Amino acid sequence: GESVGLHLPTLSVQEGDNSIINCAYSNSASDYFIWYKQESGKGPQFIIDIRSNMDKRQGQRVTVLLNKTVKHLSLQIAATQPGDSAVYFCAENYTGANSKLTFGKGITLSVRP
Amino acid sequence: EAQVTQNPRYLITVTGKKLTVTCSQNMNHEYMSWYRQDPGLGLRQIYYSMNVEVTDKGDVPEGYKVSRKEKRNFPLILESPSPNQTSLYFCASSLLSGQGYTFGSGTRLTVV
Repeated sequence: GESVGLHLPTLSVQEGDNSIINCAYSNSASDYFIWYKQESGKGPQFIIDIRSNMDKRQGQRVTVLLNKTVKHLSLQIAATQPGDSAVYFCAENYTGANSKLTFGKGITLSVRP
Repeated sequence: EAQVTQNPRYLITVTGKKLTVTCSQNMNHEYMSWYRQDPGLGLRQIYYSMNVEVTDKGDVPEGYKVSRKEKRNFPLILESPSPNQTSLYFCASSLLSGQGYTFGSGTRLTVV
């Protein structure tokens, strides 16, 4: 079947380098944001989330930064590994809504050995 | 293991032949949702359910039906499939509103 990664912008990084994946979100009322990773043939997998009362949150090798002023979200991956190669989606949610996540179009991360 | 289980993983069918894609979650989540994923269009919500017997339309509900008779199950029904419903479908669930979803592994549907 056709890959979900087709038609998406691609970020190519060298193994061991840090990756920064950016996302512009659309709704200024959104108050919860998530990054998902989708590997070929699998469903989206939760990576990290952040609420609008924070501007930074760190996980294991990943950091999410939120800039509400310009409606911008970024995901930083430290020491990128081949296993990080995937499509990455940001998603936004307004908790007054139906729990619907609105997804960005996604970015393909390709890690060069 | 906490998970969302969809079946089947792959399905090829003919136009007009009714089909059901099943979805079950074992996490006692209240919220469940169906998304379709198409190249260039990303993930779009079809229907969602906030609890048993409570369902509502998402962004692209035309041609689909859902039901939520039990908390754990949320089947997606295509009464008369058409080729434009060829897509990759994901079921997802979450414990509470405003939290992230856990996704199933997907169902790739082809309608010929």
